[in-house]
Amino acid sequence: DGGITQSPKYLFRKEGQNVTLSCEQNLNHDAMYWYRQDPGQGLRLIYYSQIVNDFQKGDIAEGYSVSREKKESFPLTVTSAQKNPTAFYLCASSPKAGHPNYGYTFGSGTRLTVV
Amino acid sequence: AQSVAQPEDQVNVAEGNPLTVKCTYSVSGNPYLFWYVQYPNRGLQFLLKYITGDNLVKGSYGFEAEFNKSQTSFHLKKPSALVSDSALYFCAVRDPAGSSASKIIFGSGTRLSIRP
Repeated sequence: DGGITQSPKYLFRKEGQNVTLSCEQNLNHDAMYWYRQDPGQGLRLIYYSQIVNDFQKGDIAEGYSVSREKKESFPLTVTSAQKNPTAFYLCASSPKAGHPNYGYTFGSGTRLTVV
Repeated sequence: AQSVAQPEDQVNVAEGNPLTVKCTYSVSGNPYLFWYVQYPNRGLQFLLKYITGDNLVKGSYGFEAEFNKSQTSFHLKKPSALVSDSALYFCAVRDPAGSSASKIIFGSGTRLSIRP
């Protein structure tokens, strides 16, 4: 079945440590997105990518980094510069950035906790 | 700039009663509108969308939504609520004519609670 796979489901980070969240899709989608969700709150856009080897900052990019070396993969690194990284992270994809009648397909999320 | 508002943080409904989850939007052009549902510790699932055509859109699990251009609203409805409908619901908008046409903007979410 086609879809988006996020791993791991749960991740624990020590203070000052960088961690990388994986997002893989086999839907042949061009665009991919990373969102952060805090308890009881909506989604905030971290980074997005419309095509391989290109990505743009979202609303809360500070303390995060991404890469898009392959169409199917869009990993997110939470760096030590992110002072409050505990949250639920969601990855999404869309067929083509220029076809706005498509919605997003979401992964099942990664819950990151600082210990 | 495009935006979407969900004025209610929580909606409580008795099982079997009709439910409405409100959503209003602001875009520069004709909007593309979406509803998503999120169950605990899961990603968002697509419910329905309005692109063009009939203002009443039917989606998954018996949900429907009505596009009202004059009121810039896209309220989610269901004639008879089920306990299993309890979840977090997100309204979203995309402005195909805007500079951010590649992105969908999400509302803050409304928690729907259905009591038996």
